[in-house]
Amino acid sequence: GQNIDQPTEMTATEGAIVQINCTYQTSGFNGLFWYQQHAGEAPTFLSYNVLDGLEEKGRFSSFLSRSKGYSYLLLKELQMKDSASYLCAPMDSNYQLIWGAGTKLIIKP
Amino acid sequence: GAVVSQHPSWVICKSGTSVKIECRSLDFQATTMFWYRQFPKQSLMLMATSNEGSKATYEQGVEKDKFLINHASLTLSTLTVTSAHPEDSSFYICSAREGAGDTDTQYFGPGTRLTVL
Repeated sequence: GQNIDQPTEMTATEGAIVQINCTYQTSGFNGLFWYQQHAGEAPTFLSYNVLDGLEEKGRFSSFLSRSKGYSYLLLKELQMKDSASYLCAPMDSNYQLIWGAGTKLIIKP
Repeated sequence: GAVVSQHPSWVICKSGTSVKIECRSLDFQATTMFWYRQFPKQSLMLMATSNEGSKATYEQGVEKDKFLINHASLTLSTLTVTSAHPEDSSFYICSAREGAGDTDTQYFGPGTRLTVL
């Protein structure tokens, strides 16, 4: 079956670095998305990885290992506004998104 | 965990026809369901929010007569794209929320890819 696993909740300190892990099992693979969702708002696109390796985009980086079925989102220089849910969503062979339940990230001063 | 399904996964239709997409919460009752449209590698664009038994609330710029939403039960919402045109081709994603609060978890469906010829 298809399965996504990411931590339910994480807490980090303002200014620090946090890594949110995501492991997945899908029928085929057509890339993996990370989204940020603030309460009451629509998910915001953060990254899309289809090849192995690290992609850096400002304070946010995303890593993918297809052989391990593993991805992580790295957030640097954390700001209070980064408090949100982070959704990992690989795309299967039918181009369907398989959603994780999301990781609620709490940033403390 | 909670599961949301969508049907169909893919649909190809001719211009001018109508297409219905179903969104179901499989193991929970969804107080609220959301419909999104996704463009490649972009954020999900909220189209409308629907609560069971009441009319959907549409976001600004979304034509309510073109995108008909029905949330007839606590486990089913439908989006009907009426008189579809090629510019309506997109990836439509629904989500469902059991609770009524903004902080309650949303569970997302796998999406429906619509191609209008």
